[in-house]
Amino acid sequence: GAGVSQTPSNKVTEKGKYVELRCDPISGHTALYWYRQSLGQGPEFLIYFQGTGAADDSGLPNDRFFAVRPEGSVSTLKIQRTERGDSAVYLCASSLGGGGPYNEQFFGPGTRLTVL
Amino acid sequence: AQTVTQSQPEMSVQEAETVTLSCTYDTSESNYYLFWYKQPPSRQMILVIRQEAYKQQNATENRFSVNFQKAAKSFSLKISDSQLGDTAMYFCAFMTTGTYKYIFGTGTRLKVLA
Repeated sequence: GAGVSQTPSNKVTEKGKYVELRCDPISGHTALYWYRQSLGQGPEFLIYFQGTGAADDSGLPNDRFFAVRPEGSVSTLKIQRTERGDSAVYLCASSLGGGGPYNEQFFGPGTRLTVL
Repeated sequence: AQTVTQSQPEMSVQEAETVTLSCTYDTSESNYYLFWYKQPPSRQMILVIRQEAYKQQNATENRFSVNFQKAAKSFSLKISDSQLGDTAMYFCAFMTTGTYKYIFGTGTRLKVLA
């Protein structure tokens, strides 16, 4: 594809509900990252995939958050029992190689999640 | 732990003028990279410029240049001939060599005035 795409663009849900956020990386990019950007903050790392496997999920805040990338392309970030504090913009990025500063991460436009 | 500080929440500049955005960081690492990212209202983060810490020469990309002061742990971005399209949030970021995690600052909102 032309760039990283994320759907939906905006998601409003009620406290306690389950949500799924989707990321379509650039075709051929093996590395995929999720970040969370709270209001007035810079993005914070959540999880890094290399191919189908989660190479580093140390940024996931708790066990309500889970992400998958079953075929090594599209990834879904899943949040169970949403809380108001989960409200943020969730950014996805992909890179050609396995991370590192020379494998430029290309970002998508994010999904703005609002938990009422 | 690494930290990145951007002390200017908002700045404005007249079109065609020059503006400098400040960034300081703290790390005990010796090998790392520094970045400036632009985030327009579309929310998509765009890489503006990258600096390798081991290089003394300041990076430049067209109208964008950095002033990297390693001893002072300072990494400022200079935008010359500012254009209306430069209006955006600008984030300074740090990455340790051999890793893939960015540490971002809190951002500076830049407005270019016509």
